[in-house]
Amino acid sequence: AQTVTQSQPEMSVQEAETVTLSCTYDTSESDYYLFWYKQPPSRQMILVIRQEAYKQQNATENRFSVNFQKAAKSFSLKISDSQLGDAAMYFCAYDLGGSEKLVFGKGTKLTVNP
Amino acid sequence: DVKVTQSSRYLVKRTGEKVFLECVQDMDHENMFWYRQDPGLGLRLIYFSYDVKMKEKGDIPEGYSVSREKKERFSLILESASTNQTSMYLCASSSSGLNSPLHFGNGTRLTVT
Repeated sequence: AQTVTQSQPEMSVQEAETVTLSCTYDTSESDYYLFWYKQPPSRQMILVIRQEAYKQQNATENRFSVNFQKAAKSFSLKISDSQLGDAAMYFCAYDLGGSEKLVFGKGTKLTVNP
Repeated sequence: DVKVTQSSRYLVKRTGEKVFLECVQDMDHENMFWYRQDPGLGLRLIYFSYDVKMKEKGDIPEGYSVSREKKERFSLILESASTNQTSMYLCASSSSGLNSPLHFGNGTRLTVT
């Protein structure tokens, strides 16, 4: 079974600084997709960034970027120039290609200090 | 923007009651999902549906059932609510096709007393 591990239950960062959230996953498949979702206190989960496993280039969305290490099965999220609005729970998720069912990690609570 | 609407934000029910959680999406998505979210456990898939009248069990289907009579609506049913079903329930939808992101509702926090 596929599993997703987020080893940091909580993280904190100073406003304007950079933080990296860790995620590892376990799969024997070669074709899959990886996602980071954000859940702010308002509770609605929103997609932050996604990565196709067959793409070697790391995905980037404005201040958010990933470090995808396929051999190591690692998919970390880097948030640059952290803002107060980045404070949220962050979930890493894995989707076996074509299954359309996501497996989520347990989440990392990010606090941004002013 | 895709909108996924869950009928209740907070719900309090008694043990043994039959509970319906409703979810509606407005983007003609084929896929709909019910997740349960608990502290320290992340999100766990209860049931999902790829099409009308079609359902498949997720990782923790015990004690739950679902109904999808119309494409836009996906209902989660607790046949006889128990205290261990106190949780946050999240509905999501996505279009068919690879790499389609999930769109989530705001969640329903259910308390069973």
